[in-house]
Amino acid sequence: KAGVTQTPRYLIKTRGQQVTLSCSPISGHRSVSWYQQTPGQGLQFLFEYFSETQRNKGNFPGRFSGRQFSNSRSEMNVSTLELGDSALYLCASTRGRGGTDTQYFGPGTRLTVL
Amino acid sequence: AQTVTQSQPEMSVQEAETVTLSCTYDTSESDYYLFWYKQPPSRQMILVIRQEAYKQQNATENRFSVNFQKAAKSFSLKISDSQLGDAAMYFCAYRSPNSGGSNYKLTFGKGTLLTVNP
Repeated sequence: KAGVTQTPRYLIKTRGQQVTLSCSPISGHRSVSWYQQTPGQGLQFLFEYFSETQRNKGNFPGRFSGRQFSNSRSEMNVSTLELGDSALYLCASTRGRGGTDTQYFGPGTRLTVL
Repeated sequence: AQTVTQSQPEMSVQEAETVTLSCTYDTSESDYYLFWYKQPPSRQMILVIRQEAYKQQNATENRFSVNFQKAAKSFSLKISDSQLGDAAMYFCAYRSPNSGGSNYKLTFGKGTLLTVNP
């Protein structure tokens, strides 16, 4: 069974640009969550999608947005990039059946903003 | 809001020895899930062990076991017979009960960097 895949793995952008990151969950998984990891703030929750609906959102500005498609693939978008957006962006997928579901993480996308 | 605290930024252990990583959390909920994740230099986050708060028995997974003290809100990870491959950043994480099949938000601690010395 293929794991969670994230594309691209590495990305370099300049301030003011926008970026779109993609996450393909494990087959059959319906929930996708996104996290931002930085040395200073650690791992912070961005948002969670379940069956194409955003179910949960972290404390991030409106420049951060996301969506989920009918095949459960998810994208997150960051507009008007700032230097502080440089981070490792991780997505995690879950079956979405509740209870003790395990979250499986992808390898992450390393975003560098210059 | 829930918070997770890992008071040991770094720990080291000799190969084949035992090490314990500490984690405390704050919550007003009575039902929840606790996790230890491992992040090696490759940055891939890997689940090490999981504990359901309603279970009194401590979870174990091979060389990994936890000491879950619900009243004290403590959740430590013990690694026995440490191996070089155990070297990684270890994160403690909290998750609220699921609601309608969603709510998988994890709250992470800052992490403990474990070094294994040969």
